[in-house]
Amino acid sequence: DQQVKQNSPSLSVQEGRISILNCDYTNSMFDYFLWYKKYPAEGPTFLISISSIKDKNEDGRFTVFLNKSAKHLSLHIVPSQPGDSAVYFCAASDHYGGSQGNLIFGKGTKLSVKP
Amino acid sequence: DGGITQSPKYLFRKEGQNVTLSCEQNLNHDAMYWYRQDPGQGLRLIYYSQIVNDFQKGDIAEGYSVSREKKESFPLTVTSAQKNPTAFYLCASRTFQGWNSPLHFGNGTRLTVT
Repeated sequence: DQQVKQNSPSLSVQEGRISILNCDYTNSMFDYFLWYKKYPAEGPTFLISISSIKDKNEDGRFTVFLNKSAKHLSLHIVPSQPGDSAVYFCAASDHYGGSQGNLIFGKGTKLSVKP
Repeated sequence: DGGITQSPKYLFRKEGQNVTLSCEQNLNHDAMYWYRQDPGQGLRLIYYSQIVNDFQKGDIAEGYSVSREKKESFPLTVTSAQKNPTAFYLCASRTFQGWNSPLHFGNGTRLTVT
């Protein structure tokens, strides 16, 4: 059963608007969450992370929000730019549990930012 | 510049042949990982190694083998026992200075087996 779920395979947003990518998880032991961005035929690049002791982390146009009670995190991109068009993967790990700190990835959401 | 190098970028093999994918890092990272990506799927962990001369199976290790003789290198062999070897393979590494460290990925090798 999937422990990290990205239920929207794709998202289309107008340039300049906000992009909100969502991720749900089932394992309450997860304590570290990350977002990666991936272009076709390239490796994923690390975007932003958050530990379970926080509920928000911001880096420039990117903000990640964590709602532990709902087991939900989201990535906000403001303002969205055409260069943000990529597949975004959510990932999580639990350092003291079964995954031994290894990252577990969602299936990704393809973001298209239209000019 | 520090980074992770995967070679080759594209690889073609006939069914029944073993093939080895190369992964080298000069980031001085302790841990190295191999993931596989299929269309519409997330990244699935094949093998990982936290220290030299030691490695562990991931979620989908069947049909694969690895070695970690040097800190910088973590080659992956796709054997003929792997039933669906055609995929995009990603190597990654990270430091163990504290658990909260992100993975750094190479640019991948696309393997096609016919």
